Amino acid sequence: EPEVTQTPSHQVTQMGQEVILRCVPISNHLYFYWYRQILGQKVEFLVSFYNNEISEKSEIFDDQFSVERPDGSNFTLKIRSTKLEDSAMYFCASSREDSLNQPQHFGDGTRLSIL
Amino acid sequence: KQEVTQIPAALSVPEGENLVLNCSFTDSAIYNLQWFRQDPGKGLTSLLLIQSSQREQTSGRLNASLDKSSGRSTLYIAASQPGDSATYLCAVLETALIFGKGTTLSVSS
Repeated sequence: EPEVTQTPSHQVTQMGQEVILRCVPISNHLYFYWYRQILGQKVEFLVSFYNNEISEKSEIFDDQFSVERPDGSNFTLKIRSTKLEDSAMYFCASSREDSLNQPQHFGDGTRLSIL
Repeated sequence: KQEVTQIPAALSVPEGENLVLNCSFTDSAIYNLQWFRQDPGKGLTSLLLIQSSQREQTSGRLNASLDKSSGRSTLYIAASQPGDSATYLCAVLETALIFGKGTTLSVSS
């Protein structure tokens, strides 16, 4: 069964550095999402992306964050000038259609540790 | 602001028992409700999606119900097995998915 793949599985970065988290959504999916889960807390929505532009974003997704679909297969989340509180598990998800009717399929996540 | 609450936070049952996980939400203006399973160190696996106009969905040993007017959903697991041990998350869709904190289920053999 096709799946969403995320790399790396674990990223350790010094505070203030930039990180790029990578995702390969399921090939025929059109909607893409990023979520994060701080240890012990709820999964939180960051951003959704469709037709090469952001369709929704949360309060968390400020100017520090950006997303890009640089080619036909990858979907990336860039975090500039990382802070300690950015440490979390970051999940990428995709859906074939709008989530009104189709479930989102999640990757296994990237654990980001900011030192 | 939408809040999703799941009770209990943790549940331990012997194999074979039927069980119910609860989810409540504060704003009934949702498009759908989804139940996910999360295994340790893994991503979320979608189990069931209930449209706002539906009352329930079934998949195998799983049955999810939705009472939108009262802001409640339940996930019923029949004849539980050790392989069902995981964290179960409930999420409602507004403009984005809003998650509960989950119920961690442990099924002992």
